[in-house]
Amino acid sequence: GAVVSQHPSWVICKSGTSVKIECRSLDFQATTMFWYRQFPKQSLMLMATSNEGSKATYEQGVEKDKFLINHASLTLSTLTVTSAHPEDSSFYICGYEQYFGPGTRLTVT
Amino acid sequence: GENVEQHPSTLSVQEGDSAVIKCTYSDSASNYFPWYKQELGKGPQLIIDIRSNVGEKKDQRIAVTLNKTAKHFSLHITETQPEDSAVYFCAASQGSQGAQKLVFGQGTRLTINP
Repeated sequence: GAVVSQHPSWVICKSGTSVKIECRSLDFQATTMFWYRQFPKQSLMLMATSNEGSKATYEQGVEKDKFLINHASLTLSTLTVTSAHPEDSSFYICGYEQYFGPGTRLTVT
Repeated sequence: GENVEQHPSTLSVQEGDSAVIKCTYSDSASNYFPWYKQELGKGPQLIIDIRSNVGEKKDQRIAVTLNKTAKHFSLHITETQPEDSAVYFCAASQGSQGAQKLVFGQGTRLTINP
């Protein structure tokens, strides 16, 4: 299957700052990637669809100005959490088709 | 939109016994049903999947069955081992090649007792 990597694997940031999470496809080119969020002991919820060379498509209830997605190349999609707050603390996972990256644990203090 | 229900939320079985996890979906247009194993702190790992033109698929100790009419699918793990302990998620999506956006079930925490 496709290999997806994420960086960093975990990050701690202060409230009000921004943090960027990278998602890379290692052995394929992806025109579409997906960003999911998972709160502790809960399921994965789709946040947005990242489209190479165009704007991301956000799911209902997800603030597009808070979660900035950039898919500038066929192997890299980034998610930037802007003005992070403690309630943004979560596990963020990117995916390509049915394959997922290892996830990024974000803790906002 | 699609809604996926998964049961049970927790399951405890003795090592060597079988485990069954069931999911139902709502959208008859869904045609791809993957199952994932997630260990603590890690991303979901695809363990088996099935498309709507197939009723059953098996891979060693793991099998998935699909009933399109009833809109439900199940994961069967036989001869369970302690390393099978994890959280398992079912999902559903549409797409002819590769999954489009996935809708997940609530997850099942499986514990294998030695």
